[in-house]
Amino acid sequence: DQQVKQNSPSLSVQEGRISILNCDYTNSMFDYFLWYKKYPAEGPTFLISISSIKDKNEDGRFTVFLNKSAKHLSLHIVPSQPGDSAVYFCAATRRFTGTASKLTFGTGTRLQVTL
Amino acid sequence: EAGVAQSPRYKIIEKRQSVAFWCNPISGHATLYWYQQILGQGPKLLIQFQNNGVVDDSQLPKDRFSAERLKGVDSTLKIQPAKLEDSAVYLCASSPEGGKVYGYTFGSGTRLTVV
Repeated sequence: DQQVKQNSPSLSVQEGRISILNCDYTNSMFDYFLWYKKYPAEGPTFLISISSIKDKNEDGRFTVFLNKSAKHLSLHIVPSQPGDSAVYFCAATRRFTGTASKLTFGTGTRLQVTL
Repeated sequence: EAGVAQSPRYKIIEKRQSVAFWCNPISGHATLYWYQQILGQGPKLLIQFQNNGVVDDSQLPKDRFSAERLKGVDSTLKIQPAKLEDSAVYLCASSPEGGKVYGYTFGSGTRLTVV
């Protein structure tokens, strides 16, 4: 039962253009969403997050949009840089429960930013 | 601050052998997690500790996997006996306390290959 889905295994974008990574979820109890970035041979690193009470959160070149009715979120990277090339994981959680910090991850999208 | 330390970085064993992984979380972090990431999939939570108590081990294959966090600091994850399908990266993460998802820091992981 895949509760968090990233349907695009890979994405290639030219440097300077916008990268859009998508994520869908099925569990309506999730109330907090995160994006993690992972380089080879390293652990995932936190990138940006959004609470279910918001529909947008921005941090520099990274913006996450949340559409609760569609159970869909997206990560926008503008402008894309070669150093952004990595695997991006979408994750979701329920914050205010006994196991609030358990993260449910998607399968990841490999982003390649070309020159 | 020092990150989450894991060892070894790589391990190759034959099926039916035993293996153990070690994790030292960030100093002062009360919550420790072990995740399993199989190639092509997102990380999946195996076990979550709050101090030295288990909060969630619902997805830990308890017939072969065990984990402990003595004294509420570092932790060991053991597999005995290993199966081919246990080949994965085992990620340890820590956070200051349950629910503080923005403080979630992963280690670099241990890549296990079972042959």
